[in-house]
Amino acid sequence: QKEVEQNSGPLSVPEGAIASLNCTYSDRGSQSFFWYRQYSGKSPELIMFIYSNGDKEDGRFTAQLNKASRYVSLLIRDSQPSDSATYLCAVMDSSYKLIFGSGTRLLVRP
Amino acid sequence: DAEITQSPRHKITETGRQVTLACHQTWNHNNMFWYRQDLGHGLRLIHYSYGVQDTNKGEVSDGYSVSRSNTEDLPLTLESAASSQTSVYFCASSGQGGRSTDTQYFGPGTRLTVL
Repeated sequence: QKEVEQNSGPLSVPEGAIASLNCTYSDRGSQSFFWYRQYSGKSPELIMFIYSNGDKEDGRFTAQLNKASRYVSLLIRDSQPSDSATYLCAVMDSSYKLIFGSGTRLLVRP
Repeated sequence: DAEITQSPRHKITETGRQVTLACHQTWNHNNMFWYRQDLGHGLRLIHYSYGVQDTNKGEVSDGYSVSRSNTEDLPLTLESAASSQTSVYFCASSGQGGRSTDTQYFGPGTRLTVL
């Protein structure tokens, strides 16, 4: 059973702080990794994808991947109240299907 | 603008009835997916399609069926609705079939209640 694990949270950070969201996965053959943001009552929207070891930055967001440890993370710098949402980690398996974690709820306090 | 739509957005039905949820995308994407989302379970794959006339079972396919007669549409049918199928259903699509970097884009969701 391929699994993607996330801490459900809530992760509470003050406005302006760095939020660190973590995800581990079980399938060593996974090649692509995605972070989605989901506001309450809305559909998931893509934030970033990453498929090479190391860091990938896009604005206030940085995705980090370590395939040897089967670990992927998302850092949000200068967190804003509007970043409060559930963040879903998704891992693409060898047949190009996405396996989702159950999500981490982030709360940014003003 | 290209988009992915779902209808209805909300549906209440009774146990045993057949229900069809529509999904339509205008991106000309090859791949389409149906997920359900429940508290504590995240998004779980029901069925998916990599092109016209192609359909595949996902993790939680029992009680559901799909058909793909054209590129734009992948309707999801609940053959005989059960209370356990009360959930939020999301349709998604992605582009090029078999590319591991293809991003899935999600529709707005359908909230289904089975009484």
